[in-house]
Amino acid sequence: NAGVTQTPKFQVLKTGQSMTLQCAQDMNHNSMYWYRQDPGMGLRLIYYSASEGTTDKGEVPNGYNVSRLNKREFSLRLESAAPSQTSVYFCASRPRDYANTGELFFGEGSRLTVL
Amino acid sequence: AQSVTQLGSHVSVSEGALVLLRCNYSSSVPPYLFWYVQYPNQGLQLLLKYTTGATLVKGINGFEAEFKKSETSFHLTKPSAHMSDAAEYFCAVIYTGGFKTIFGAGTRLFVKA
Repeated sequence: NAGVTQTPKFQVLKTGQSMTLQCAQDMNHNSMYWYRQDPGMGLRLIYYSASEGTTDKGEVPNGYNVSRLNKREFSLRLESAAPSQTSVYFCASRPRDYANTGELFFGEGSRLTVL
Repeated sequence: AQSVTQLGSHVSVSEGALVLLRCNYSSSVPPYLFWYVQYPNQGLQLLLKYTTGATLVKGINGFEAEFKKSETSFHLTKPSAHMSDAAEYFCAVIYTGGFKTIFGAGTRLFVKA
């Protein structure tokens, strides 16, 4: 099983450039998430989609937009990249369960550097 | 704000020694609690989780954690460290009614030969 697939794995951008990180899951999960990981700060939630057709802001949404294209795919877009967005980005998904107690399944990450 | 705190950004133990990684949450209502592990250049994977029931939870690779409501804690332990345990460990919570998993800052575990 592929699980959660992120592309690209590495990207270097110049300040002001735009790009989209792609994420797809093949586990028929309802919820999908985008996190960023920075040293000493753990993972911080950028945006999430509780189900197809809905998206919500997380803890650090400024400078980002998302699209839940269908049940499988959830993309993250940087419209005008800034050096502060240099980070490792993780996409995750979670199956539907009534009490929302389920674990997250992570992709392998996308390492973004903004010069 | 609801949060989760991991005490110690780095922990170093000798191979064969006890591993203890600390986690405390900030809520009077117990959340759902998780420990995830991240190996270098990989995503996170679940070690174990507590939702309801028995307060001592066993996970993969010999790890276990105990939920203590009176201490608002969910510390991770392993009786005997192995070199392959070297990784970063994250405590995480889902507060009641929430869709969001909140992560601690992480603890990097070093295992010395």
